[in-house]
Amino acid sequence: EAEVAQSPRYKITEKSQAVAFWCDPISGHATLYWYRQILGQGPELLVQFQDESVVDDSQLPKDRFSAERLKGVDSTLKIQPAELGDSAMYLCASSPAGTISGNTIYFGEGSWLTVV
Amino acid sequence: DQQVKQNSPSLSVQEGRISILNCDYTNSMFDYFLWYKKYPAEGPTFLISISSIKDKNEDGRFTVFLNKSAKHLSLHIVPSQPGDSAVYFCAASGDSGNEKLTFGTGTRLTIIP
Repeated sequence: EAEVAQSPRYKITEKSQAVAFWCDPISGHATLYWYRQILGQGPELLVQFQDESVVDDSQLPKDRFSAERLKGVDSTLKIQPAELGDSAMYLCASSPAGTISGNTIYFGEGSWLTVV
Repeated sequence: DQQVKQNSPSLSVQEGRISILNCDYTNSMFDYFLWYKKYPAEGPTFLISISSIKDKNEDGRFTVFLNKSAKHLSLHIVPSQPGDSAVYFCAASGDSGNEKLTFGTGTRLTIIP
């Protein structure tokens, strides 16, 4: 069964350092999402891509976060500089083009970030 | 501004009994609702969904009920099994036209053998 791949699974970084997460969506999925889940809260959308274009990045803290999907396939989420409050699970998800909603959005296993 | 709310952070249910998880929303533009199940250190997995044109959707042991006038939905699991122990997230979409999901804060369900 096709899966959304994410790496690294776990990352510990010092405050003010740079960190990057990578996501490879399910083959053929045009839409890619990055969500952040802080412990005790629900996932929150950071950025949504349709192919290589950003559809929604209204909740992305653009002073320190950046995301790209240059060829419309895999994607990288970068944080620079990392802050203590960035400690969370970063979830990547993908869905086919023309998804009506929800049940064809597939999540990866997530990348745990701890900032010390 | 929490548009999707799950007011019970945790719930414990005896194996074999019914589990009822509740969710409230405030945005009347939401027209599609979903439940996701999440195990520790894993991503959420889709469980069941319901469109706003329906008031009930059933899939095996899982049934979702939607009360649009009350802006309330619930997930019923019957009978509950130990493998159902997980965090359940309610999510909604439809207000932005781009399939963006807005999640609740989750309810941790524990099934007691």
